[in-house]
Amino acid sequence: NAGVTQTPKFRILKIGQSMTLQCAQDMNHNYMYWYRQDPGMGLKLIYYSVGAGITDKGEVPNGYNVSRSTTEDFPLRLELAAPSQTSVYFCASSYDPLWTGKSTEAFFGQGTRLTVV
Amino acid sequence: DAKTTQPNSMESNEEEPVHLPCNHSTISGTDYIHWYRQLPSQGPEYVIHGLTSNVNNRMASLAIAEDRKSSTLILHRATLRDAAVYYCILRDSGGSNYKLTFGKGTLLTVNP
Repeated sequence: NAGVTQTPKFRILKIGQSMTLQCAQDMNHNYMYWYRQDPGMGLKLIYYSVGAGITDKGEVPNGYNVSRSTTEDFPLRLELAAPSQTSVYFCASSYDPLWTGKSTEAFFGQGTRLTVV
Repeated sequence: DAKTTQPNSMESNEEEPVHLPCNHSTISGTDYIHWYRQLPSQGPEYVIHGLTSNVNNRMASLAIAEDRKSSTLILHRATLRDAAVYYCILRDSGGSNYKLTFGKGTLLTVNP
């Protein structure tokens, strides 16, 4: 059981370039999330999805886009990369919405470390 | 938004119990208390969660105060592998319901 898989693990981008961070889960979870973590800080929610075809903004969505065409995949697109987007990006999924007690846990990927220079 | 307060860091010795505190004085009656931890260079992983009663699982115990304004994560016998940042998290009820807001957490150091 792979859980949540993120690719790539590391990437260096030049200012203005674009890229897509891939996220896939094999647990048939409806709920998926993208977080970023700046050095020494907690995680901030970028975007989330409650099912295929349904996405919504989180706390820090500017500069990012997402799509959810299948239950399994939730890619995060960076357009016109900026140094402020240097961070570690985590994708997560859960069976139930995280705000209820029904869900025992969210599963996180190993992260993508992105540097924009 | 429900907020949590945790010490920035704590230290423990291997095979000793560890009590990690969390204050959440503005918690609402329906908010679950979640604990996650993040090992170095890894994504967060679930530890435990609870509402009112104390909870136990294979990883830890969660003791919740009677007034629910504070809770304590208990690691019964710390190992070196337990060195991590521990996050006490409540639902962020501001705006979207679909998230848990992670603060800075408590950095736990375990000495051999």
